[in-house]
Amino acid sequence: AQSVAQPEDQVNVAEGNPLTVKCTYSVSGNPYLFWYVQYPNRGLQFLLKYITGDNLVKGSYGFEAEFNKSQTSFHLKKPSALVSDSALYFCAVRDSATDKLIFGTGTRLQVFP
Amino acid sequence: DTAVSQTPKYLVTQMGNDKSIKCEQNLGHDTMYWYKQDSKKFLKIMFSYNNKELIINETVPNRFSPKSPDKAHLNLHINSLELGDSAVYFCASSQDLGQGNSEQFFGPGTRLTVL
Repeated sequence: AQSVAQPEDQVNVAEGNPLTVKCTYSVSGNPYLFWYVQYPNRGLQFLLKYITGDNLVKGSYGFEAEFNKSQTSFHLKKPSALVSDSALYFCAVRDSATDKLIFGTGTRLQVFP
Repeated sequence: DTAVSQTPKYLVTQMGNDKSIKCEQNLGHDTMYWYKQDSKKFLKIMFSYNNKELIINETVPNRFSPKSPDKAHLNLHINSLELGDSAVYFCASSQDLGQGNSEQFFGPGTRLTVL
């Protein structure tokens, strides 16, 4: 079965520092990978996706993610964190057999001023 | 303009009642979804519809019944509400089905509290 794992419940980073939110996946076939962000009391917002092509994917709000096939990872990154980036981040993979979007357990990012 | 809207935003009700949540998308998408997010923020799909046809039906109790009157609307009716139904329910939509490469657009959520 397809799955994603987000090994960190919470990531803390100082404003201005680079941030990384980790995600690893397990799929059969080619993975379709997504990152979403959820601000408090809001719905999920799409950040970026990897379908095919360049391993470095750029998305909204200055975020990017690197697809690494050998490590089966799709970590979310940003060169310089903002306090306003504080939110809950979800990695997701499309299950090709069922067409369902399988979400990770989420990582809470806290950016301190 | 709101892309995916849900009503109501909050729903507080007694056990045993029947309630409905409505969802509308104005993005022209063919596919709509219902997700449940529990108190630990775990997100799981419940249903998906493509052009009014049920595509995904997860192992949810049959007290939950989705209805899609047209491809812009997907409502969720819940019978005989139980305490464990308390959660945030999200509606979402996407452009396609089958290709798997389109992102989903989420509504703001409906927080259901069953007393």
